Amino acid sequence: GQQLNQSPQSMFIQEGEDVSMNCTSSSIFNTWLWYKQDPGEGPVLLIALYKAGELTSNGRLTAQFGITRKDSFLNISASIPSDVGIYFCAGLGSTLGRLYFGRGTQLTVWP
Amino acid sequence: GAVVSQHPSWVICKSGTSVKIECRSLDFQATTMFWYRQFPKQSLMLMATSNEGSKATYEQGVEKDKFLINHASLTLSTLTVTSAHPEDSSFYICSASTSGRAYEQYFGPGTRLTVT
Repeated sequence: GQQLNQSPQSMFIQEGEDVSMNCTSSSIFNTWLWYKQDPGEGPVLLIALYKAGELTSNGRLTAQFGITRKDSFLNISASIPSDVGIYFCAGLGSTLGRLYFGRGTQLTVWP
Repeated sequence: GAVVSQHPSWVICKSGTSVKIECRSLDFQATTMFWYRQFPKQSLMLMATSNEGSKATYEQGVEKDKFLINHASLTLSTLTVTSAHPEDSSFYICSASTSGRAYEQYFGPGTRLTVT
């Protein structure tokens, strides 16, 4: 199946710092999605990207769809303790509605 | 809007028994529902895709006779783990997608299954 490489695997930062994580793929995707998952919960959609080169913001979150359509990054500015969780990238493949997930980035924010 | 519920949120069962997990879209009609499983500190692995009124499509390596999926209505899909074994213990998550917005999947809160 299609592989998504997400990095870093984990991050430990102090409150107020900015965070950056990214995903790369060997395959082209038409849509990139970023999710956040809290412990014992399902993922919640943060940002969806539909066009190569697209840069989209959602509050303190900014994500970009890479020009090659094989990568995406997510930035979180001025992190706060409630940003703690696991962030997943996902690509929408050629089959309608079939998502491929990265392995996740575990974010820990120290107050 | 776009709320997906799962029931139960957690279940403990004995080895050899069967367990049914329900996934409901509460405020929209879901033509397609997906079932994932997630092991601790791992990503979500798609198990199967189900469209209302038709048989589910299973991913390679997923036993369809063990993980029975029924999508009988536009708001309900069920996953039955038959003859459960301890290795089936996992976090099972469903998602639902509306017609025309397949790129937006809304996830349920998950069901923690523990098989003893």
